[in-house]
Amino acid sequence: DQQVKQNSPSLSVQEGRISILNCDYTNSMFDYFLWYKKYPAEGPTFLISISSIKDKNEDGRFTVFLNKSAKHLSLHIVPSQPGDSAVYFCAGGGGADGLTFGKGTHLIIQP
Amino acid sequence: DGGITQSPKYLFRKEGQNVTLSCEQNLNHDAMYWYRQDPGQGLRLIYYSQIVNDFQKGDIAEGYSVSREKKESFPLTVTSAQKNPTAFYLCASSVGTSGRSNEQFFGPGTRLTVL
Repeated sequence: DQQVKQNSPSLSVQEGRISILNCDYTNSMFDYFLWYKKYPAEGPTFLISISSIKDKNEDGRFTVFLNKSAKHLSLHIVPSQPGDSAVYFCAGGGGADGLTFGKGTHLIIQP
Repeated sequence: DGGITQSPKYLFRKEGQNVTLSCEQNLNHDAMYWYRQDPGQGLRLIYYSQIVNDFQKGDIAEGYSVSREKKESFPLTVTSAQKNPTAFYLCASSVGTSGRSNEQFFGPGTRLTVL
C-alpha cells in the first residue's frame, strides 16, 4: 500500500515555463511534507517543506501547495531552469519511523 | 564541514559474500536511516535507528543487518541472504522523527554491485 504516490514518472517542461509536480498521500497522520531533489548517483537534497497547518510555502522559485482535504500537494518551479532537471521525491512524515517517500518524478527541462 | 559520509562510492562483491557499507555523520543527529533505491522504486526504507543501541526494521529489512553502537555511525551489512543486493544504497540522518526535526540529510550513496 503506497502511502505517498507520485503518479507521473516523468515530466517534460520547456525552459522558462512553470513546472508542476504532483503528489498524493493517504496517511492522515502525516503532519509534515518535504520535497527532495536528486541527481543521478548522488544522495537526495532537501528542497522545501510544508507543515500540515499551512497551505502554502514559498522559497524563491519553489512553492509548495498543500490541499489537506484532497490529500494532495504540489511543487511549483517557476521559471524552470536547465539545472532543475532531476528526480523529485515527495515525502510525508508524522510517525516515529521517519519519512515515507513517493517513487519520484523525473523532471526534464527542455531548452 | 558537517555532513554525512558514505564509503566507498562503488563496491563490488562476489555472490554469497557479506558486505558492510559505512555511514558516518557529524551533525549530532539522533536518528539515522538506510534506504535502497532501484529504478522505478523510489526510496525504500531498510532499517532506521532513533537512538544509540536501538534500531527498527523498515519495509525491506530481510537480508540486511545494522548496528548503532555510536551516535555517529550506522553501518549496514548486506548478507548473502539478500536475494537482489545490487542497488544504490543511501544513508540519511535527522535531528528527530517528528515535525520539522524529521528533515533528513542524505549521504552521497554507495553503488553495490554483486557479481
